[in-house]
Amino acid sequence: QKEVEQNSGPLSVPEGAIASLNCTYSDRVSQSFFWYRQYSGKSPELIMSIYSNGDKEDGRFTAQLNKASQYVSLLIRDSQPSDSATYLCAVNSNPGGGADGLTFGKGTHLIIQP
Amino acid sequence: DAGITQSPRHKVTETGTPVTLRCHQTENHRYMYWYRQDPGHGLRLIHYSYGVKDTDKGEVSDGYSVSRSKTEDFLLTLESATSSQTSVYFCAISDLTGTLNTGELFFGEGSRLTVL
Repeated sequence: QKEVEQNSGPLSVPEGAIASLNCTYSDRVSQSFFWYRQYSGKSPELIMSIYSNGDKEDGRFTAQLNKASQYVSLLIRDSQPSDSATYLCAVNSNPGGGADGLTFGKGTHLIIQP
Repeated sequence: DAGITQSPRHKVTETGTPVTLRCHQTENHRYMYWYRQDPGHGLRLIHYSYGVKDTDKGEVSDGYSVSRSKTEDFLLTLESATSSQTSVYFCAISDLTGTLNTGELFFGEGSRLTVL
């Protein structure tokens, strides 16, 4: 069974600090990794994707992938109150990509304290 | 934003009644998905479609059926709704074209279903 694990939180971070969100996955053949942000009562919104080991930066967001450790993380620099949301880690476990959807973690609830 | 519309957005029904949720996309994407989201369980895949009339089961398919007669529409049917099917249902689409084939999903706004 494919599993994606996240700490449910809440994770409380002061405004302006770095928020660090972590995710581990069970299927070693996983190829693609995604971070979604979900505000309360809204749908998940894709904010980052990463496919290769290392770091990928996009604005205040940095995704980090370590396939050997089966670990994905998301860093949010200069955290803002508007970053308060639930962050979902998602994994595509099909070799070469695939159509049968993503496996999601249960999400980490992030609170940015003004 | 991806052109995905779900209907109805909210529905209250009684146990034993049939319910159909509709997902409509204007992106001409081949792949469509139905997920449900529940506290403590996260997003779980119900069914997905990889083309017109081509569908397959996901992790939590029992009690659900789907149909896709046109590229743009993907219907989720609860033949006889139960209280355990009270949930928020999300439709998602994926392009999966090109060489990268990463499988990223784009979600509709969700349909909140309450079964009394």
